[in-house]
Parts: sequence; C-alpha cells; structure tokens
Amino acid sequence: GAVVSQHPSWVICKSGTSVKIECRSLDFQATTMFWYRQFPKQSLMLMATSNEGSKATYEQGVEKDKFLINHASLTLSTLTVTSAHPEDSSFYICSAQDINYGYTFGSGTRLTVV
Amino acid sequence: QKEVEQNSGPLSVPEGAIASLNCTYSDRGSQSFFWYRQYSGKSPELIMFIYSNGDKEDGRFTAQLNKASQYVSLLIRDSQPSDSATYLCAGEGGTSYGKLTFGQGTILTVHP
Repeated sequence: GAVVSQHPSWVICKSGTSVKIECRSLDFQATTMFWYRQFPKQSLMLMATSNEGSKATYEQGVEKDKFLINHASLTLSTLTVTSAHPEDSSFYICSAQDINYGYTFGSGTRLTVV
Repeated sequence: QKEVEQNSGPLSVPEGAIASLNCTYSDRGSQSFFWYRQYSGKSPELIMFIYSNGDKEDGRFTAQLNKASQYVSLLIRDSQPSDSATYLCAGEGGTSYGKLTFGQGTILTVHP
C-alpha cells in the first residue's frame, strides 16, 4: 500500500524560531498533499492543500505567511511554522492523495513551542 | 452547523459486543465517506470507505451509507479491547471536493 513518511515525529523549539516539517510519499507520486493540525481532544482541522508546482490553498483562518508550504516535487511537501509561539504547539499531520489508495496519512509531528 | 457530525461519546461496550458509531453530514454533494481509527498520539488509520448506498463489509467492520438521510455508520462486530480508540468519520465531495472534512470523532472504549 501507499506509505507516507513524515519527519520529525516530534520537535521542541523556542518561541520565535522556525520549524520545518517534511512529508514524503515513498512509493507513489502525490500531486496533492494536505496539512492538518490537531489540538488535544479535537479532530483534524485542514490547514492547507498543497499541489505540486503551485501555491498552496489555505483554509479560512490559516495564516499563509506563518505556515509556509512548499511542494516542490511529486513526493515531497514541507510545512514551515515561522516565528513559532506556544499557541502553535499541536500535532501536525500530512496526508497524500493517491489514485489507488485514496488518502494516506503521515505519522504526524508533535510540535512543542517553549 | 458542522458539515460532518459525530457523537463525541465516549461509547463504552463490553468485549465481544457490537459497537455502533454514527455520523451525519449536511452537504448533499458529499460523495464518499471514510472511517478512520486514531489511537492516542498517533495519526489516523483508514478502516474503510464507502460511496454507494447500502452496506459494505470488511472483516469485523461494516459501513453503512444512507444518502437520503445523510447518514453514515460503522459497525464493529466482536469488539476487542484493541479496538479502543477514537473513530473519525470524514466526507469528501460537494464543498469538500478533493479533500476530506472530518467529524469531531467518537471515543470508543471496549472493556474486557
């Protein structure tokens, strides 16, 4: 089946710094990748849809200048949380869409901003 | 009104019983529905998807879709303690074309 690798699995950073999260589709090409955020005891909230070679489409209320998304190849999308603050602490999950397997999720990244 | 709604639970069933998880959706344009299982601290795992009215069975799991009532359900037969997790319902299509819209999830506990 389709495999999506996400790194790092957890990261702690200081307030004001930036953090980059990578999402790779290992055995298929993903023209579309999705980035979600999940706060404790809440469901997944879609942040943005990332298409290879074009600008990401952000959901309402998500700051595009704060959450930078790059989808430079068919197998890699990155999310950079810029000038992170404690309220950005969350579980970030990527997902890649494949014609055969539908939506496959990465293992998630636990971000803690101190 | 949320696009996809689930009973947040928690739902508690004894081992061996049938667990019934329910989901309703507001967008009649939604075409496909997905059930995911999420263990604490982990990312969601796909259980099954359904896009046709009626039932779809896969092992101990049966998904049911009723488009007229805008209702989706997941039945888990012979529930096991390892089934204890949060179950997420997601819809695709309509205003969510090409992406998933998740419900808030239902916490299921299967007790021995």
